[in-house]
Amino acid sequence: AQRVTQPEKLLSVFKGAPVELKCNYSYSGSPELFWYVQYSRQRLQLLLRHISRESIKGFTADLNKGETSFHLKKPFAQEEDSAMYYCALSGRGFQKLVFGTGTRLLVSP
Amino acid sequence: DGGITQSPKYLFRKEGQNVTLSCEQNLNHDAMYWYRQDPGQGLRLIYYSQIVNDFQKGDIAEGYSVSREKKESFPLTVTSAQKNPTAFYLCASSIETGVEQYFGPGTRLTVT
Repeated sequence: AQRVTQPEKLLSVFKGAPVELKCNYSYSGSPELFWYVQYSRQRLQLLLRHISRESIKGFTADLNKGETSFHLKKPFAQEEDSAMYYCALSGRGFQKLVFGTGTRLLVSP
Repeated sequence: DGGITQSPKYLFRKEGQNVTLSCEQNLNHDAMYWYRQDPGQGLRLIYYSQIVNDFQKGDIAEGYSVSREKKESFPLTVTSAQKNPTAFYLCASSIETGVEQYFGPGTRLTVT
C-alpha cells in the first residue's frame, strides 16, 4: 500500500540553523510528491512539488528514488518558517493524495 | 486566497444533533475532498468526490455523509453517529483526482 512517513512530529531549531524535514514514501510506481505548509491561522497551501524542481521561500526538496525520500531542506531557517508541514504522495491512477502525519517546525530566535 | 470557501469558521453543536458543514469552490475543479485534522494525527480523508453526483468513502467515513449535487458544492454532514465529532474540518478541491489539491480555510466544530 502507498504510504508517506514523516518520522518527526516536532522539529525545533534556532534561527539561522539549517533545517531538514524528512519524508519517506512507499510506492512501487513513479511517484509525484508535494510539500504542503500550514502557517498559524492560515489555510493549508502547496509549498512545492518535486516535478517543478523549484525553490520556494528558500526551501528545496529533491526526490531520491533510491532512498524513496523527498526531504524538505532550507539552509538558514527563519522564525516565519514556523508552521506545520505535510508531505504528500500521488502517482498514476491515484484517486487521492496520500498525506504524511505532518511535522511541526518551530524556529526559535 | 479565495477559490474555496468554508462556512462557518466556528460551529458549536449539542451532542446528538446532526450538523452540515459547507464547502464551495469556484475553481471549476472536478474533484473535491473532506479531511479531518486532529493534533498528532495529520490529515485523515473522510470522503471524496471525483465528479458531480459521485463520491467515495475515505479512510474514516463512519458517522459522516456527503452529497455532490453541484460541481461547486460538496457539503459534509456530521451525524450523531460520529463518536468524536469535535475537530477541525478541511475541504479541498483539485482539477482532477491524484493531483495537487487546494484547501479551504477550515471549519472548527465543537460538540458538547
